[in-house]
Amino acid sequence: GENVEQHPSTLSVQEGDSAVIKCTYSDSASNYFPWYKQELGKRPQLIIDIRSNVGEKKDQRIAVTLNKTAKHFSLHITETQPEDSAVYFCAASSPFIGYGGSQGNLIFGKGTKLSVKP
Amino acid sequence: GAVVSQHPSWVICKSGTSVKIECRSLDFQATTMFWYRQFPKQSLMLMATSNEGSKATYEQGVEKDKFLINHASLTLSTLTVTSAHPEDSSFYICSAKNFLAGGQETQYFGPGTRLLVL
Repeated sequence: GENVEQHPSTLSVQEGDSAVIKCTYSDSASNYFPWYKQELGKRPQLIIDIRSNVGEKKDQRIAVTLNKTAKHFSLHITETQPEDSAVYFCAASSPFIGYGGSQGNLIFGKGTKLSVKP
Repeated sequence: GAVVSQHPSWVICKSGTSVKIECRSLDFQATTMFWYRQFPKQSLMLMATSNEGSKATYEQGVEKDKFLINHASLTLSTLTVTSAHPEDSSFYICSAKNFLAGGQETQYFGPGTRLLVL
């Protein structure tokens, strides 16, 4: 099955600096890679996602890159702000092709705790 | 965006009792819902995939007789923790699969249920 590795586990940056979180996946069939932000005690919130037919996607200060050959994808946050402090999870899933299997299920990385110091 | 609700948000129960958690998709129909468990400072671990009208698919290591899942309608899935024990204390989060414009799939998370078994 799919295995997702995420690094680093903790990341501390100064306000205004950039933050990069990297994930690798094992299943070459995976084609959907979302990133979630989870604040303490709250639900994960989807912040950006990318599909395997795209190499890069950007939304304001957040960008995600995907290297299918190397099977890794990264989250880039520029001009970080204190409110960016949270735990970020990457995930990967393979195409959903029918009930009864694990395809289509999100497999999460272990998370990265990002702290942005004012 | 799509809204997923969970009830209750907090449960404190005695060891040996059963606890039912509801997950509802409020503004869309979800043929597939997922149940996750999250221990403190850890990632989300997929417990099972709940398919409307059929049996749930459990991940390896998750006891199906202990964690009963019922997906009786397109908007409701329930997770019942039977004979709960202190080690079952955790944050339980559901998510529902939805389709975006263009047929792409994504998942939306419920707010989570914090279970404390005394």
